[in-house]
Amino acid sequence: AQSVAQPEDQVNVAEGNPLTVKCTYSVSGNPYLFWYVQYPNRGLQFLLKYITGDNLVKGSYGFEAEFNKSQTSFHLKKPSALVSDSALYFCAVRADGSSNTGKLIFGQGTTLQVKP
Amino acid sequence: NAGVTQTPKFQVLKTGQSMTLQCAQDMNHEYMSWYRQDPGMGLRLIHYSVGAGITDQGEVPNGYNVSRSTTEDFPLRLLSAAPSQTSVYFCASSYNAGQAYEQYFGPGTRLTVT
Repeated sequence: AQSVAQPEDQVNVAEGNPLTVKCTYSVSGNPYLFWYVQYPNRGLQFLLKYITGDNLVKGSYGFEAEFNKSQTSFHLKKPSALVSDSALYFCAVRADGSSNTGKLIFGQGTTLQVKP
Repeated sequence: NAGVTQTPKFQVLKTGQSMTLQCAQDMNHEYMSWYRQDPGMGLRLIHYSVGAGITDQGEVPNGYNVSRSTTEDFPLRLLSAAPSQTSVYFCASSYNAGQAYEQYFGPGTRLTVT
């Protein structure tokens, strides 16, 4: 069965420090991986995705993510955190076996708190 | 473009009542879906549609119905509301389901069933 795990409920970092939000996945077939961000009382916004190719993917607002096939991970990173990055972050996966359904499997979410 | 819109933003129902959550998109997307978000559980897929006239069940379909008569609209119907359906509901759309297109989410409907 396909699944996504975000092992940390909350990540705390100081403004200006690098941040990492972890995600691991389990799928059969090639994974399509996504990161979304949710600000309070808002819908989810797309940040970036990995489909194929370069393992380092760059996205919106200075975020990037590294795909590691051997460790089945897709960690979200940013070199220098901003207070405005504080939000709820979701990792999601879709295996190419479900290409006719478009189903996304979401992790439970990680709250990022950036302190001044 | 307005993107994905949802109405209402908030709703309180009594157990046993029925209602329809509205979702519309103006991006001519083929694929639309409904999720519910509960604390600590991420988002779970309720129903989805790969095109007008085609719908299918997701992970948690019980107690919900959908239809897709037009490309733009994808309403979610609660047949007989239960307290377990208290949640935040999100509608999403993407260009299609056959490629790894990102999904665009609406602002959500916060539903409370008493």
